Parts: sequence; C-alpha cells; structure tokens
Amino acid sequence: AQSVTQLGSHVSVSEGALVLLRCNYSSSVPPYLFWYVQYPNQGLQLLLKYTSAATLVKGINGFEAEFKKSETSFHLTKPSAHMSDAAEYFCAVSSGTSGSRLTFGEGTQLTVNP
Amino acid sequence: EPEVTQTPSHQVTQMGQEVILRCVPISNHLYFYWYRQILGQKVEFLVSFYNNEISEKSEIFDDQFSVERPDGSNFTLKIRSTKLEDSAMYFCASSVVSTNEKLLFGSGTQLSVL
Repeated sequence: AQSVTQLGSHVSVSEGALVLLRCNYSSSVPPYLFWYVQYPNQGLQLLLKYTSAATLVKGINGFEAEFKKSETSFHLTKPSAHMSDAAEYFCAVSSGTSGSRLTFGEGTQLTVNP
Repeated sequence: EPEVTQTPSHQVTQMGQEVILRCVPISNHLYFYWYRQILGQKVEFLVSFYNNEISEKSEIFDDQFSVERPDGSNFTLKIRSTKLEDSAMYFCASSVVSTNEKLLFGSGTQLSVL
C-alpha cells in the first residue's frame, strides 16, 4: 500500500522568497515520486519526477525536489517565487511497476504575495 | 506538443441519467487511465486500461462505471446512472509506457450531477 502526506494545505510566500512544499510518502516498494501542478480550471501538469535515478530532480519553471529515503520525503523547492507560481501542487507516488496507479496527496495551495 | 484531449469540458446532467465522458489519448500511447477529483479533495485513481481490457480498478469503479476504447482513438468513461456524489472533475491520462513516468493528463471534464 502507498500513501502521500502533504504538510500544509495552504502555503503563502512573498514574491522572490523561497518556496518549500512538503511531501512525505509511504511505500512498501521502491517508489516513483511525482509533483504535479494544477492551475485554476486546468488539468494536471507534471513538474518533475523521481524514478530511482538521481536523488535531486530538476523540473520545469525552476522547481526541484530531493528524494530522501531515510526521511521518506520528497519536498518541492524553488529558490525565488514568482506570481505565476500561484497554483495547487500535488505530490504523488506509484510503485513504478507496470500499470500501477498514482496515489495523490491532498494538495497544497500556494499563494504568492506581491 | 501532443496533448490528451477531453470533451466536453463541462457536462451537466440529472441524477439517474447516463453520461459518457470522452478522451482522445496521444496517438502512440498504449496505457489509458481515468482519475477523478471531487471538489476540495485529492485526485483519485479510477481505472487503468491496456490492450482493450481493464488492468486495474479502484473501489470507486463499481458496476455503474465502464470504460471502452471503441474505435482505436477514443477512450470513454460511462456512468450508467449518475448520482449526486459523482459530481467531480474527471481526468483522462495516457502513457506510452506501463509505468507512470511519462503519464500525460488531459485538462479534465467537470461533471455536475443535479
């Protein structure tokens, strides 16, 4: 069984500040981990993914995440927030095996203040 | 860049009616999925489909739901007799590989059951 916990349903930062969105996972097998972004009235867009290669993963729009097995974490960061980063962010886990389902976290709504 | 296309973007129906949500996956993709997101809740897996049959389904995907790939290009989700609690955003996704690392989502169909 797999699960994802995103700490903080709402995160608010100032423009130019560090963005840190937290994700912890539980998985009985080596996980694949993902971050998706959802802008208002739009679908899910893949930001980045960890699939057992490098533990520091870089994604689109300046985001990156680090897989830490000892902490079962996959936190998403961006050094400097931009107004256009305001959106909902979802962490997700899968087992990486054939056809396995994605299990999503509750989501974190990111607000960027001017 | 190829996209997963979903139609309609919004669907309103009366309780008890049948609805069909349509998706056109990316042409060379082989693995197809439906997920849903009830307002304010996490994205949930419904079903995966490969080689013209269901690979996996969740506990949500009961006898009221069915999927079909009728003509080699479309992938449909049918709800036979809609309930109020079926109101949600339904996302179609497809992938060229069996794992989730290259999964692409459509922009969703917002289903409202009145």
